[in-house]
Amino acid sequence: DTGVSQDPRHKITKRGQNVTFRCDPISEHNRLYWYRQTLGQGPEFLTYFQNEAQLEKSRLLSDRFSAERPKGSFSTLEIQRTEQGDSAMYLCASSPGGVYGYTFGSGTRLTVV
Amino acid sequence: EDQVTQSPEALRLQEGESSSLNCSYTVSGLRGLFWYRQDPGKGPEFLFTLYSAGEEKEKERLKATLTKKESFLHITAPKPEDSATYLCAVYNAGNNRKLIWGLGTSLAVNP
Repeated sequence: DTGVSQDPRHKITKRGQNVTFRCDPISEHNRLYWYRQTLGQGPEFLTYFQNEAQLEKSRLLSDRFSAERPKGSFSTLEIQRTEQGDSAMYLCASSPGGVYGYTFGSGTRLTVV
Repeated sequence: EDQVTQSPEALRLQEGESSSLNCSYTVSGLRGLFWYRQDPGKGPEFLFTLYSAGEEKEKERLKATLTKKESFLHITAPKPEDSATYLCAVYNAGNNRKLIWGLGTSLAVNP
């Protein structure tokens, strides 16, 4: 296992289009997190899974955002009807639970034009 | 309100010039404090976890320390490859499913 993988690394899309990102966590990790990060800011929490259950979703997240983690393995994050304000780095992280550091993927850079 | 504040926002050092980055926090019941390094266009890379006041961790030129109110990341004789943004995050007792993040310190080390 080589760590957390995210695909694609970069995505350019036109406003109004739907996009989907994929995250493959470290296989032994049962917790998976999605974050969004813009330039000069720390990561902003979006949502969190424990195994296949989505346990928490940020109140700041609009209904255009949805995430899944079927079978508790990989996860997808979909953004519908993208807006220019969605342009950011989308980060996925996994952890074994408890008070352990997260392992992050390299992120997906989304640009909405 | 739980909060993590990092200072300075940016720091420029000459190679070999030691310094410290600060992470101050106000959370109810700290369960863990984390330091990460982030290079441009990449995800954060885990450096250290500190669990209780008085604890120290070291890795190469980096040393992290923790008190009841703040953490320091000491950089000894830095090299240009240490240039990155350093992020601090905390778990607290009431919110141990996700981290609370600072905005980071952008470090540039000139040769």
